[in-house]
Amino acid sequence: GENVEQHPSTLSVQEGDSAVIKCTYSDSASNYFPWYKQELGKGPQLIIDIRSNVGEKKDQRIAVTLNKTAKHFSLHITETQPEDSAVYFCAAIVTGTASKLTFGTGTRLQVTL
Amino acid sequence: DTGVSQDPRHKITKRGQNVTFRCDPISEHNRLYWYRQTLGQGPEFLTYFQNEAQLEKSRLLSDRFSAERPKGSFSTLEIQRTEQGDSAMYLCASSSYRSASTDTQYFGPGTRLTVL
Repeated sequence: GENVEQHPSTLSVQEGDSAVIKCTYSDSASNYFPWYKQELGKGPQLIIDIRSNVGEKKDQRIAVTLNKTAKHFSLHITETQPEDSAVYFCAAIVTGTASKLTFGTGTRLQVTL
Repeated sequence: DTGVSQDPRHKITKRGQNVTFRCDPISEHNRLYWYRQTLGQGPEFLTYFQNEAQLEKSRLLSDRFSAERPKGSFSTLEIQRTEQGDSAMYLCASSSYRSASTDTQYFGPGTRLTVL
């Protein structure tokens, strides 16, 4: 089955700096890669996603890149703000044939003033 | 859309008791998923439904666990004879599956179960 590894497990940045979180996946058939943000006591919230026919996607301060050959994808947050502090999860899935998301172990992002 | 809702948000029970959780998906979403999340880990898949049919179950779903989605709308997850190892956050998600490009999963707030 699919295995997703995520690094780093914790990340501390100063407000205004950039943050990068990296994930690798094992199943070359995976074709959809969402990123979720989870705040304490809440469910995961989808923040951005990318499909395998696209190499990069951007939404305001958030961007995701995908390298299918190397089987890794990354989340980039620019101009970080204190409200970006949360746990971020990457996930991978083969859409259509299997519907279970396989998640990474999470990155706790702390944005300090 | 009002989002995925789950009830209760918190449940404390004694070992050996039965518990039941409810999930209401986003209106007209035909797929509904259950995941379990333990502290410091990502969510792990338990099972999913397409309409009322349960199409896949994880090996994590022991015979003490049962899930239903009787009319293809809300779903219930029951755990019988709870054990301390069942303590976790139980997450529900839903998606509107029409093709391989539309299967985005949206999560509810979760039910936190504590087994004493």
